Amino acid sequence: DQQVKQNSPSLSVQEGRISILNCDYTNSMFDYFLWYKKYPAEGPTFLISISSIKDKNEDGRFTVFLNKSAKHLSLHIVPSQPGDSAVYFCAASAASTLGRLYFGRGTQLTVWP
Amino acid sequence: DSGVTQTPKHLITATGQRVTLRCSPRSGDLSVYWYQQSLDQGLQFLIQYYNGEERAKGNILERFSAQQFPDLHSELNLSSLELGDSALYFCASSVDGASGQETQYFGPGTRLLVL
Repeated sequence: DQQVKQNSPSLSVQEGRISILNCDYTNSMFDYFLWYKKYPAEGPTFLISISSIKDKNEDGRFTVFLNKSAKHLSLHIVPSQPGDSAVYFCAASAASTLGRLYFGRGTQLTVWP
Repeated sequence: DSGVTQTPKHLITATGQRVTLRCSPRSGDLSVYWYQQSLDQGLQFLIQYYNGEERAKGNILERFSAQQFPDLHSELNLSSLELGDSALYFCASSVDGASGQETQYFGPGTRLLVL
């Protein structure tokens, strides 16, 4: 049962433009959400997180938006750079499941010059 | 560099064999998590340890076991290996892992190939 879904397996964006990666979840108990970036042959690298008490969190070029009523979150990258090309994973956790993270299947972002 | 180390980086073995994957958490982190990433399943939680004690269990097969030692490093033991066990195995760590609102930091992974 996939409780976190990333419905777009790939996204292609031109350098300098905005990249928007989307994520949906089904479990209303989730209260903490994270985005990870993964390059080939490396482990996932933490990017940014958001608690369910907020609807937006910003860190440099990365902004995460949370819409609890729609059970949807998105990651905005502005401006996109070629080095951002990687697989992006959305993850969620709930206090009731302690530290367990539920992951989406990832979106391959390609930023072209 | 996340500060989480995993060995070995690659492992090739045969069906029916047993292997041990090792993980050292970031300095100061008490919780260790194991995840499996296979081609068709994405990242799946296997098990969590906190300060030497098992805290949560996910989709971990009975052929798999783990432990966390007093120095906080952890080992994941995979036995009676099958072709389908071929995957990337990631270890992650966090400070506590009790609140559900912590960031987990991942190691580089161990790529296991069962022939």
